[in-house]
Amino acid sequence: EAGVTQSPRYAVLQEGQAVSFWCDPISGHDTLYWYQQPRDQGPQLLVYFRDEAVIDNSQLPSDRFSAVRPKGTNSTLKIQSAKQGDTATYLCASRGGQDTQYFGPGTRLLVL
Amino acid sequence: AQSVTQPDARVTVSEGASLQLRCKYSYSGTPYLFWYVQYPRQGLQLLLKYYSGDPVVQGVNGFEAEFSKSNSSFHLRKASVHWSDSAVYFCVLRRTGNYKYVFGAGTRLKVIA
Repeated sequence: EAGVTQSPRYAVLQEGQAVSFWCDPISGHDTLYWYQQPRDQGPQLLVYFRDEAVIDNSQLPSDRFSAVRPKGTNSTLKIQSAKQGDTATYLCASRGGQDTQYFGPGTRLLVL
Repeated sequence: AQSVTQPDARVTVSEGASLQLRCKYSYSGTPYLFWYVQYPRQGLQLLLKYYSGDPVVQGVNGFEAEFSKSNSSFHLRKASVHWSDSAVYFCVLRRTGNYKYVFGAGTRLKVIA
C-alpha cells in the first residue's frame, strides 16, 4: 500500500511570492488534514476535509491561504503572498476508518 | 478548549536505561489520547492510542503509556531504550465528537551510548 505523498519536498521563496503544495493521500482514505509545523514545535492543524467538504478551517489564515480537495482525493494547499512567518514544514495526513493518521514526509518551506 | 503540554523539550538518556516522557492534557470531557513519533527524515507514525478501559496501553517497539484521569496525564514509558529510539515524540489529544487532533510541542529524545 502506497503511503501519503507530498510535493515538492522543499521550497524557497521571497516574501510576497505564491506557492502551492500538493498531497496524494492513501487510496480510500476519506479524511485529509493539512498541518503547519514550525521548527521545534508540534503540528498545528490548518484545515481538514472529509471527502471534498471542508470540515474545519478555523485555523487557516483565509486572507492568504487556501485549500481544496475537489474530487475527494488529492488536495492542494496554496499560499498567495508568503511571509517570513510562514516558514515551516507543511504536513499532509490522511485517515481511513480507524483513528490513525498517516503522514506524508512534509514540504519544508523557507520564506526569505 | 483543549490543549496538550509536554513539559520537557529535550530528554537525554543512556542506551539500556528506562524512559518516561511526560504529557499533560486539558479537556473537560473524555479524551482520546495518542503518542506519535517523528524519526529523522520520516513522517510521523502512531506509537499507541488510548480510548478507555485499562489505563496502561501497549504500543509498538516496547512502548507503553499510562492514562491518569486524576492527574490529566498520559505519560509514555519504555523499559530499555535503544539508540534507534532517538526521535521527536508527540502527545496528541482528540475530543469526542470530531476528528480534530491537538498536538503537544513534542519532546526530542536523544539516546547516547
